Amino acid sequence: NAGVTQTPKFHILKIGQSMTLQCTQDMNHNYMYWYRQDPGMGLKLIYYSVGAGITDKGEVPNGYNVSRSTTEDFPLRLELAAPSQTSVYFCASSYSQTSGLYNEQFFGPGTRLTVL
Amino acid sequence: QQQVKQSPQSLIVQKGGISIINCAYENTAFDYFPWYQQFPGKGPALLIAIRPDVSEKKEGRFTISFNKSAKQFSLHIMDSQPGDSATYFCAASSRYGGSQGNLIFGKGTKLSVKP
Repeated sequence: NAGVTQTPKFHILKIGQSMTLQCTQDMNHNYMYWYRQDPGMGLKLIYYSVGAGITDKGEVPNGYNVSRSTTEDFPLRLELAAPSQTSVYFCASSYSQTSGLYNEQFFGPGTRLTVL
Repeated sequence: QQQVKQSPQSLIVQKGGISIINCAYENTAFDYFPWYQQFPGKGPALLIAIRPDVSEKKEGRFTISFNKSAKQFSLHIMDSQPGDSATYFCAASSRYGGSQGNLIFGKGTKLSVKP
């Protein structure tokens, strides 16, 4: 199992450009999440998905979009990039959310994005 | 509104010492309290977790202490080792699912264990 994979690892984007961060998991998890991590600020939830075709906003969704066409993939789209979107982005997945024993979130290695 | 407050922001401990990181929460609906460990350049990974039906959970050198009445929980690392140097995040989520079921993370504690 590769777990959660993210591409690219690093990227520099110009202000106003758009890009898609890719995330794939091979654990057949229903739940997937996108977080951003800024120094000293912890992890903030951008969007999450409870299954293919279903997505919902997290705490900081502005400037981002997501889609979930398959169980495995959960891409994050940045439209009209701004310097405030400079961050490290983590994708995560879990079998369940709050119930049962399998609500551990498995994180990918992250994408370090700089917007200049 | 931050719902999980974590302290200290950074911590330096000598090898063999005890590292203690504290978290406080506000939402009484929270019923799952995990700690995640993150090494530089890596994603966070689950270290240990507790539910409010117990006051303490121990796994090896790592212990969570939970005080439901005070709405506080803490991570104790006994016999701290240089390999424990990492950033630690506490988190909490609610049994009610939906948006409340998502993890709310503290801001993190950077632990450095000096040899």
